[in-house]
Amino acid sequence: GDSVTQMEGPVTLSEEAFLTINCTYTATGYPSLFWYVQYPGEGLQLLLKATKADDKGSNKGFEATYRKETTSFHLEKGSVQVSDSAVYFCALSGDRFGNEKLTFGTGTRLTIIP
Amino acid sequence: DGGITQSPKYLFRKEGQNVTLSCEQNLNHDAMYWYRQDPGQGLRLIYYSQIVNDFQKGDIAEGYSVSREKKESFPLTVTSAQKNPTAFYLCASRQTSPGHRTGELFFGEGSRLTVL
Repeated sequence: GDSVTQMEGPVTLSEEAFLTINCTYTATGYPSLFWYVQYPGEGLQLLLKATKADDKGSNKGFEATYRKETTSFHLEKGSVQVSDSAVYFCALSGDRFGNEKLTFGTGTRLTIIP
Repeated sequence: DGGITQSPKYLFRKEGQNVTLSCEQNLNHDAMYWYRQDPGQGLRLIYYSQIVNDFQKGDIAEGYSVSREKKESFPLTVTSAQKNPTAFYLCASRQTSPGHRTGELFFGEGSRLTVL
């Protein structure tokens, strides 16, 4: 079945550092890929998405590129801020129309220190 | 503003009691989902519904029940058969009808259930 493997946390970085959170996936067909973010005590919010190979999703300075050849969707940000502290989830949807359930990774907790 | 409302935000239950978590959405979405979140385990799918009056078991449905009598509502009952119900429960929805297939899930703010 479909699966998502995320970099284990927690990750602690200093403000303005470069961030990478690795995500690889296993899926049949042509999945859509997502990054969600969860702030303390809240539900998840969509951060960015990509629906086909070589697409780049971007939002709030975060980027991720859908790499079919390496089955990866790594999250990057050039300069993190304290407000980026949260838990980040990589997810995939079984087909590019999003008609199937989403499969989530285990989440990566990110803490940014001033 | 459109969104998903979950209630209650916090709930305490004694062992042996059933409890029902409410989830209402005014986004006109067809599909609704219930996830359970435990520390270090990510999100696990309990039940989902693609259309009114129909729902399917997810990966961890045992000890839970749902109904989908209205498009806007998808309540989750945690029964006494659920062995370890203390967790954070998240409801989500998304549009799946033709022309709106973005795949994006919209989440509520969650309900934290604690069994005493």
